Amino acid sequence: EPEVTQTPSHQVTQMGQEVILRCVPISNHLYFYWYRQILGQKVEFLVSFYNNEISEKSEIFDDQFSVERPDGSNFTLKIRSTKLEDSAMYFCASTATQNIYGYTFGSGTRLTVV
Amino acid sequence: GDSVTQMEGPVTLSEEAFLTINCTYTATGYPSLFWYVQYPGEGLQLLLKATKADDKGSNKGFEATYRKETTSFHLEKGSVQVSDSAVYFCALGASSGSARQLTFGSGTQLTVLP
Repeated sequence: EPEVTQTPSHQVTQMGQEVILRCVPISNHLYFYWYRQILGQKVEFLVSFYNNEISEKSEIFDDQFSVERPDGSNFTLKIRSTKLEDSAMYFCASTATQNIYGYTFGSGTRLTVV
Repeated sequence: GDSVTQMEGPVTLSEEAFLTINCTYTATGYPSLFWYVQYPGEGLQLLLKATKADDKGSNKGFEATYRKETTSFHLEKGSVQVSDSAVYFCALGASSGSARQLTFGSGTQLTVLP
């Protein structure tokens, strides 16, 4: 069964450093998403991406965040200058269409900012 | 805005016990409702869904009924197994506007003991 692959599974970074989280969505999917879950809190929507541009973003997704699909297969989330409160599990997802029933999630990257 | 409130965990049950995980929601319009499951080290997987009031979603012995009058979508299973140990997330998808975005609850950790 096709999978969404996220790397690394766990990343530790120092406060103020830039970090890039990587995702390989399912190859024929067109819509891409990032969600995050701070430990013990809800899974929160960050951003959706379609046709090489951001479709929607939440208020969490401020100027410190950016997304990119650099080579037609990878989908990355960059945090420019990490803060302690960015520590969370980050989930990538993709769908073939706008249909919300078709989400496939990756297994997540646990980001720890120290 | 839309929100999902989920029974807090962790929940620990003996094998063959009855499971209920409560979920209530707040949304405008007519959302679709979902239960996702996350097994250790894996991504979020769709467990079941319901798209309109009184629909019952079911899969792998789990069931949930979309109750518009009580704005609830409680997850039930008559006889849990050790292999059901996982984190369970209730979620809703709006029927219009941000249709591709999912709103999640905070997750309930279930541990089933042999």
